[in-house]
Amino acid sequence: AQSVSQHNHHVILSEAASLELGCNYSYGGTVNLFWYVQYPGQHLQLLLKYFSGDPLVKGIKGFEAEFIKSKFSFNLRKPSVQWSDTAEYFCAVTAGTALIFGKGTTLSVSS
Amino acid sequence: EPEVTQTPSHQVTQMGQEVILRCVPISNHLYFYWYRQILGQKVEFLVSFYNNEISEKSEIFDDQFSVERPDGSNFTLKIRSTKLEDSAMYFCASSSARESYEQYFGPGTRLTVT
Repeated sequence: AQSVSQHNHHVILSEAASLELGCNYSYGGTVNLFWYVQYPGQHLQLLLKYFSGDPLVKGIKGFEAEFIKSKFSFNLRKPSVQWSDTAEYFCAVTAGTALIFGKGTTLSVSS
Repeated sequence: EPEVTQTPSHQVTQMGQEVILRCVPISNHLYFYWYRQILGQKVEFLVSFYNNEISEKSEIFDDQFSVERPDGSNFTLKIRSTKLEDSAMYFCASSSARESYEQYFGPGTRLTVT
């Protein structure tokens, strides 16, 4: 069965630092990949998605992610984080009609 | 901007009772989903629903659970005879297309079973 691993449970950064959150999935077939964000007190929001084509995808708020098929990875990056990026970040992959989520990474950004 | 809404935001119930969690998906969406997140654990898929029937369900979605679209706007999750381990955040989501294209999530209902 498809599964998703997020390697970082809690990441603490200062403002302007660069961010990379790891995500690996288990199934090697055709996949659709997503990163969702949940700001404190808010619901899950889509940051970006990959279905096909250019493996480097850009999302909202300056985030991007790179799909590396050979590594089964879809890491999230941002060159310079802001305090407002403090949130929980979830990687997800489709399996049929379901989204399979990773456990999430809590990002804390200090100003 | 259209959004998925869920009611109530917090439901407390006693073990063995039945609860109904309500969701209003985005109006032109055709696919509906329920997920749950037990505190400290992953968001887990429960069920997907299309054209008034279940498309797919997980192992978690046993006979204790049922879903319904009772009218043109609501989508409900019923949990019969609740157990302590049903305590979780329940998220509703909807999408305009199959294959989980951009599922839009509601704010969730926190269910506490005592």
